Amino acid sequence: AQSVAQPEDQVNVAEGNPLTVKCTYSVSGNPYLFWYVQYPNRGLQFLLKYITGDNLVKGSYGFEAEFNKSQTSFHLKKPSALVSDSALYFCAVRDMNTGGFKTIFGAGTRLFVKA
Amino acid sequence: NAGVTQTPKFQVLKTGQSMTLQCAQDMNHNSMYWYRQDPGMGLRLIYYSASEGTTDKGEVPNGYNVSRLNKREFSLRLESAAPSQTSVYFCASSASGASNQPQHFGDGTRLSIL
Repeated sequence: AQSVAQPEDQVNVAEGNPLTVKCTYSVSGNPYLFWYVQYPNRGLQFLLKYITGDNLVKGSYGFEAEFNKSQTSFHLKKPSALVSDSALYFCAVRDMNTGGFKTIFGAGTRLFVKA
Repeated sequence: NAGVTQTPKFQVLKTGQSMTLQCAQDMNHNSMYWYRQDPGMGLRLIYYSASEGTTDKGEVPNGYNVSRLNKREFSLRLESAAPSQTSVYFCASSASGASNQPQHFGDGTRLSIL
C-alpha cells in the first residue's frame, strides 16, 4: 500500500534561518509527489510537485523540495524563512494503483516561524 | 477567481439529522473530490468523481452519499448525521485524473454534530 509519513508534528525556526519539513513515502512504481500548504480557516494550496526529471523542484513562495529516491524522501525546504510561512504543510502521494485519482496525504507538519 | 466554492461554511446538526454540503468549481475541471480533515490524520478521501456521470468510493465512504450534478457541481450528503462525522469537509477539483495535476481546494465546511 502507498503511504506518506511526516515524522515531525511541529517545526520551529527563526525568521531568516533555513527551514526543512520532512516527508518520506512508500509507493510501488514511480512516485508522484506533492506539497500543499494550509493557512488557518482555508483550504489546501498547491506548492510544488515532483513527477519526473530534476530531483530539485522549485515551487511557489520560494519553496523547493528535494526528491531522493534511495532514501524515499521528498523534503520541503526554504533558504530563508518568513513569519508569514507559519502554516500547516502536507506532503502527498498519488495512488497509482487506482489510476491516480486517489491522493494519500501525510498527517501534516505545523511550521512556526518566530520573528 | 472563485475557484472552488463550498457552502455552507459552518453548520451545527443534531444526531440523526440530514444535510447536503454543496461544492461548485468554475475551472472546467473534470475530476472532483470530497475529503474530511481531522486533527492529526491529514485528509481522508470520502468519495471522488473522475468525470461527469461517475462517482467512486474513497477511503472513508460509510455514512455518506454523493451526487455529481453536472460538470461544475459535486454534493456530499449525510443521511443520518452521527457525532463521529464532526469534522472539516473539503471539496477539491483537478483538471483530470492525470497524476501530474494538482488539486484545487475550497475553504471547507466546518460541521459539528451534537
